[in-house]
Amino acid sequence: QVQLVQSGAEVKKPGASVKVSCKASGYSFTSYYMHWVRQAPGQGLEWMGVINPSDGTANYAHKFQGKVTMTRDTSTSTLYMELNSLTSEDTAMYYCARAIRVGWFDPWGQGTLVAVSS
Amino acid sequence: QSVVTQPPSASGTPGQRVSISCSGSSSNIGRNDVQWYQQLPGTAPKVIIYLNNQRPSGVPDRFSGSKSGTSASLAISGLRSEDEAEYYCAVWDDNLNGPVFAGGTKLTVL
Repeated sequence: QVQLVQSGAEVKKPGASVKVSCKASGYSFTSYYMHWVRQAPGQGLEWMGVINPSDGTANYAHKFQGKVTMTRDTSTSTLYMELNSLTSEDTAMYYCARAIRVGWFDPWGQGTLVAVSS
Repeated sequence: QSVVTQPPSASGTPGQRVSISCSGSSSNIGRNDVQWYQQLPGTAPKVIIYLNNQRPSGVPDRFSGSKSGTSASLAISGLRSEDEAEYYCAVWDDNLNGPVFAGGTKLTVL
């Protein structure tokens, strides 16, 4: 079955970077765009950006330009999302989600909690 | 503040029918398909309606979606306690060139 498995929770200090992984299985890795979505504690869902696993090109939401880098490794069917210059406002759950069509995400990864604290 | 909006809360008693609205504009709902996601506490979102009114296999037919103009709606009939969750509508926005999520509606089953 189609599955997205994300890496485990991270605790980082302000100013550090974090790299979250999302391993895909059960489908053709290069056939579907992958999106990343953030959810701060008690808040709603916020789109961060998208990567085309076929050629590695990424498009980021305006808010996250210069803040996030999305990459992929086709040999392991794994996507990566790296956030730099972390602040307490980056404390959130981060999800990868496969796009069937624009706005239609299925499935989602289980989420990776990133906590930023001094 | 998202470009698409939902009421922050909704409630109903078991067996009732509730409806959650999602309001947008010509750059999003007016031109693109709407999806609805259910997020149970402590879990990842799950699509329950796609392409405005289609249900994935496994989603009960108590859930239905509709769209008209720049608004969409999710209806849940025969409300059950397990329907208590956060519900989000999502749609592509042509101006932002990306998907947007409304702020979410917390559904409480009284």
